Amino acid sequence: SQQGEEDPQALSIQEGENATMNCSYKTSINNLQWYRQNSGRGLVHLILIRSNEREKHSGRLRVTLDTSKKSSSLLITASRAADTASYFCATVLNSGYSTLTFGKGTMLLVSP
Amino acid sequence: KAGVTQTPRYLIKTRGQQVTLSCSPISGHRSVSWYQQTPGQGLQFLFEYFSETQRNKGNFPGRFSGRQFSNSRSEMNVSTLELGDSALYLCASSLAGAGDTYEQYFGPGTRLTVT
Repeated sequence: SQQGEEDPQALSIQEGENATMNCSYKTSINNLQWYRQNSGRGLVHLILIRSNEREKHSGRLRVTLDTSKKSSSLLITASRAADTASYFCATVLNSGYSTLTFGKGTMLLVSP
Repeated sequence: KAGVTQTPRYLIKTRGQQVTLSCSPISGHRSVSWYQQTPGQGLQFLFEYFSETQRNKGNFPGRFSGRQFSNSRSEMNVSTLELGDSALYLCASSLAGAGDTYEQYFGPGTRLTVT
């Protein structure tokens, strides 16, 4: 079953613009992670944010977490064509376990 | 360090057959998880192994099974294949032990087509 739901399902922007993707989930979590997938290949871990954190940065990525609203957002600043991919949020319910419960993902298309 | 490797990368099988997929985790990673990805259901957790023991299992029928060896390599087996088993099967490894969680490193996947 899906824990997270991403919004929007698809996003098309121009290079240089910012891209924002949102994720909502249903139950209490230990942490939330964002992954990127290029065209049906393996997933690449982007960032992990724990339930007691509100914001994290990694390069051009900024993730926020609002546990009261059970939601997270991923912001990619100054997008590049190479950022074209599907982005998934995944929640981990229990500390010490690896099990990820994924949302359906957002397909991001960045045009040159 | 070498990444997570999965073999084979592509596989075509016939309904009713069985299949075994293999995953070699990153050196030092003791946790291996398997996920199924389909257009309709998205990414779904199959099972996780840690130190040769199944630590968690998703909601899949008993036709799906797995195991982990002492060197942390893992295999998953699907018996009596159905058309709906066609999917990308992803393996992921992690440092995860007790008390904390870590990011997972995914392999490139095995694309299984059942005809």
